[in-house]
Amino acid sequence: DGGITQSPKYLFRKEGQNVTLSCEQNLNHDAMYWYRQDPGQGLRLIYYSQIVNDFQKGDIAEGYSVSREKKESFPLTVTSAQKNPTAFYLCASSLGQLSNQPQHFGDGTRLSIL
Amino acid sequence: AQSVAQPEDQVNVAEGNPLTVKCTYSVSGNPYLFWYVQYPNRGLQFLLKYITGDNLVKGSYGFEAEFNKSQTSFHLKKPSALVSDSALYFCAVSVHNNAGNMLTFGGGTRLMVKP
Repeated sequence: DGGITQSPKYLFRKEGQNVTLSCEQNLNHDAMYWYRQDPGQGLRLIYYSQIVNDFQKGDIAEGYSVSREKKESFPLTVTSAQKNPTAFYLCASSLGQLSNQPQHFGDGTRLSIL
Repeated sequence: AQSVAQPEDQVNVAEGNPLTVKCTYSVSGNPYLFWYVQYPNRGLQFLLKYITGDNLVKGSYGFEAEFNKSQTSFHLKKPSALVSDSALYFCAVSVHNNAGNMLTFGGGTRLMVKP
């Protein structure tokens, strides 16, 4: 079955530590996205990538980094510079740059501070 | 800049009754509108979209939504609610531009269907 796989499901970060969230898709989608979800605030865009080896900052990119070395993979690193990383992180993909295409979501990674 | 408002944090309905979850939007240009549903500790699932054409859009699980251009609204509806419809619902909007497929989400509405 085609879909988006996020791992791990739960992740704990220590003070000063960088952690990396994995996102893999086998939908052959060109575009991929990372969102942060906090209670009562909906989804906010962290980074997006429309094509391999290219990515753009979203609304809340500070303290995060990404890479897009392969079409199917878009890992997100939460750096120690992100002072409030506790949140639910969602990865999504879409067929391309067309705005009328729905985004497909993984089941998320819940990040907490130890 | 585009924005989406979901004015109700929570909607309560009895099983078997009709339900409506409200959404209004603000964009420059013609909107593409989407509804997603989220169950606890899961990602968002696509329900339906409006691109163009008929203002009444039918989607998954018996849901439908009505696009109203003059009121800039895209309310989600279902004729008869099920307890299993209880979840968090998000409205989202995008516009056709060179920036790509960029969605703006509303804050979400929690739907509670009671037996």
